Amino acid sequence: DADVTQTPRNRITKTGKRIMLECSQTKGHDRMYWYRQDPGLGLRLIYYSFDVKDINKGEISDGYSVSRQAQAKFSLSLESAIPNQTALYFCATSDPGPAGPYGYTFGSGTRLTVV
Amino acid sequence: GESVGLHLPTLSVQEGDNSIINCAYSNSASDYFIWYKQESGKGPQFIIDIRSNMDKRQGQRVTVLLNKTVKHLSLQIAATQPGDSAVYFCAENRHNGNKLVFGAGTILRVKS
Repeated sequence: DADVTQTPRNRITKTGKRIMLECSQTKGHDRMYWYRQDPGLGLRLIYYSFDVKDINKGEISDGYSVSRQAQAKFSLSLESAIPNQTALYFCATSDPGPAGPYGYTFGSGTRLTVV
Repeated sequence: GESVGLHLPTLSVQEGDNSIINCAYSNSASDYFIWYKQESGKGPQFIIDIRSNMDKRQGQRVTVLLNKTVKHLSLQIAATQPGDSAVYFCAENRHNGNKLVFGAGTILRVKS
């Protein structure tokens, strides 16, 4: 089984719909992150969480919300999806401080298309 | 800051040749750097890291060089193989920072 699992892998949704992307991890890491990847752009941080009671905005949090249901689970919601939220979304985990021995561990991604 | 653009730089190399992928980082206070490899349809995978108190680190077929004077990082892949074809990202962690900042990436294409 993968260390970081994202569901769904692919999703097509309509403009205005609410959608949730889920992430679960078996690494026992406290820190979890949601990133967005667009063609030609680097990974951009949406939200991050350092423990169950901690939620922080990243550089592009507008239009998104998150929930840290447990140490192992971190979900990303689009409250009212719009076409420019079409992208590849990645969840990642890390040891305390991103300078853990291997930086982040990423999931396989969720490809979201908003039509 | 970020690299912004619709087209990633591409490096094409012949199988068996050495590859050098470059990255300019933005913050002189960054103290930890990582190279990631992302294959099509997959999440980024760790390749090698280096801390700012070093200028070179070697792994299996890969070497990372760090030049803090010009804020430049490079990834060298020896005897490049078709399986090395991917997008390669550098990432930096700013001193006492809580999260990594990623570059836009470079596409590596290996010709057989």
